[in-house]
Amino acid sequence: SQQGEEDPQALSIQEGENATMNCSYKTSINNLQWYRQNSGRGLVHLILIRSNEREKHSGRLRVTLDTSKKSSSLLITASRAADTASYFCATDVGTYKYIFGTGTRLKVLA
Amino acid sequence: DTEVTQTPKHLVMGMTNKKSLKCEQHMGHRAMYWYKQKAKKPPELMFVYSYEKLSINESVPSRFSPECPNSSLLNLHLHALQPEDSALYLCASSQGGRRSNTEAFFGQGTRLTVV
Repeated sequence: SQQGEEDPQALSIQEGENATMNCSYKTSINNLQWYRQNSGRGLVHLILIRSNEREKHSGRLRVTLDTSKKSSSLLITASRAADTASYFCATDVGTYKYIFGTGTRLKVLA
Repeated sequence: DTEVTQTPKHLVMGMTNKKSLKCEQHMGHRAMYWYKQKAKKPPELMFVYSYEKLSINESVPSRFSPECPNSSLLNLHLHALQPEDSALYLCASSQGGRRSNTEAFFGQGTRLTVV
């Protein structure tokens, strides 16, 4: 069974707005990662947050992690049309073993 | 060079064919992965090689046979596939060793269609 569930499944916003997507997972983790995938191509790593961190920033991205609730959120600020993609969280369930969440399909309208 | 290169980009094969997918990285990574992704679904882990040894096989059918000839190359040999095996096959690599769970770099994938 999948480790991570993401919501919303799909999100449509206007350019310039913020986009928030959430990931919930089931078991204890060492870290959680977020990836972006453009239209059925390879995944691009966005950010890694360790279990002892609560928040991390990278450019327009802000990730939070709440291990007590087993959840994480990804915030993209001032979104652009180029941010249109699917976003996946991935949690480590063992050495070298990452399980991806169900994903959020983001559409940013120009 | 932070690139993982997969060939071919597209592959159409019959159910009796034998074909291979190839993956190459020159980042010195010691862990390499095969994932399978169906449309609108997340990637599913198939195999992991660590230091050229198979360390994870997620109960993948034997018609998929991985091979790691050296630390830079990863192959996936395909034989007697079924139409439901049609999917995007993604290769990835990561540092490995003590930093076993770090960011993974993905190739662009091979779009496989089984007819």
